[in-house]
Amino acid sequence: GQQVMQIPQYQHVQEGEDFTTYCNSSTTLSNIQWYKQRPGGHPVFLIQLVKSGEVKKQKRLTFQFGEAKKNSSLHITATQTTDVGTYFCAGPITGTASKLTFGTGTRLQVTL
Amino acid sequence: NAGVTQTPKFQVLKTGQSMTLQCAQDMNHEYMSWYRQDPGMGLRLIHYSVGAGITDQGEVPNGYNVSRSTTEDFPLRLLSAAPSQTSVYFCASSYSGGDAFFGQGTRLTVV
Repeated sequence: GQQVMQIPQYQHVQEGEDFTTYCNSSTTLSNIQWYKQRPGGHPVFLIQLVKSGEVKKQKRLTFQFGEAKKNSSLHITATQTTDVGTYFCAGPITGTASKLTFGTGTRLQVTL
Repeated sequence: NAGVTQTPKFQVLKTGQSMTLQCAQDMNHEYMSWYRQDPGMGLRLIHYSVGAGITDQGEVPNGYNVSRSTTEDFPLRLLSAAPSQTSVYFCASSYSGGDAFFGQGTRLTVV
């Protein structure tokens, strides 16, 4: 079946360092979504990318969708302690609009 | 708007007991889903609905039943709880192709 993998599983950085998580799908995706889950919380939508090669920015966060629409990345510049949490990518299962399959997630820890 | 409301927030069950996790949304979303989250496993889809009266199985449906009699409600029933069903359960809703709104989650322990 369709699989979405993320690397790394865990990253520990010092505040001010950059962070990147990578998402790879076994199949082409119609779009990719990114979510953030704070410790003890629920996933919260960050962004959706639809076009091949698309790049979107939200303040210190940069999201990219690969040319083949099978991979994506999230880059955080100059991390802050408020960035702590687990970041998930998700894409629709082939042939569906909203039946999402989630990546395994990358847990980010930021220390001073 | 309350968004997606899940009840209860915490639950402890004995093996073999049954229970229903409630989920309600007030955004008139047609799509609703149930996920379970286990350490290191991400979010796995249990069941899914594209509208009232229509449900579909996800990746891990065994041991769970769902129904969707109204647009707003999508309850998840555990028929005979097992320790392997200890997990955090999230309900989510969305428009077609849109971003998913998640409830606060239900932390279930089966002893």
